[in-house]
Amino acid sequence: QSALTQPPSASGSPGQSVTISCTGTSSDVGGYNYVSWYQQHPGKAPKLMIYEVSKRPSGVPDRFSGSKSGNTASLTVSGLQAEDEADYYCSSYAGSNKLRVFGGGTKLTVL
Amino acid sequence: EVQLVESGGGLVQPGGSLRLSCSASGFTFSSYAMHWVRQAPGKGLEYVSAISSNGGSTYYADSVKGRFTISRDNSKNTLYLQMSSLRAEDTAVYYCVKGAYGDTCFDYWGQGTLVTVSS
Repeated sequence: QSALTQPPSASGSPGQSVTISCTGTSSDVGGYNYVSWYQQHPGKAPKLMIYEVSKRPSGVPDRFSGSKSGNTASLTVSGLQAEDEADYYCSSYAGSNKLRVFGGGTKLTVL
Repeated sequence: EVQLVESGGGLVQPGGSLRLSCSASGFTFSSYAMHWVRQAPGKGLEYVSAISSNGGSTYYADSVKGRFTISRDNSKNTLYLQMSSLRAEDTAVYYCVKGAYGDTCFDYWGQGTLVTVSS
């Protein structure tokens, strides 16, 4: 059982927007602005898409955005494209005892 | 170009040991915390271990504490994970990961090395 809760699946048609949630506690997501999101295509290593809740690394399309409210963080993918179909994982800093926690992952399907 | 190349994975019997290595290049290795993250077949990501830039601080997930040891050799730009008393549930792809943005996230991941614990 993962520390952070994500829906197992999400889907949308090309051009649409989809939002993936990531729910934790006040000890992780709610306590720090250190939520990050990773995209993983089958057989590949994860790729950083969002860090510090809403910041995008260089090279990540601005179709990807992040936000947080209380103990729940969200990743929104706008203007869905076929290549966005992948697994998405959230992660949060969780203090000096646990350091980092991950969500269970969400499989995004582009219909 | 940042590169992280893991090696040392393979098949090991329950109770056995294995040492993973991660050779880093393309960045100043000694300036960054490094991490190991694993992924069991068909499962999600699990945080395993971390080490500070100078090796002075380490962290282990409860699931591996007392069995795994993380270390680094900054003169060789190499990260290690010594694994002992291996169990079937340790079977996973192990990723070497670089900390970033004040070590708040992971910006580069290796390709992973598969560890299979089975008799």
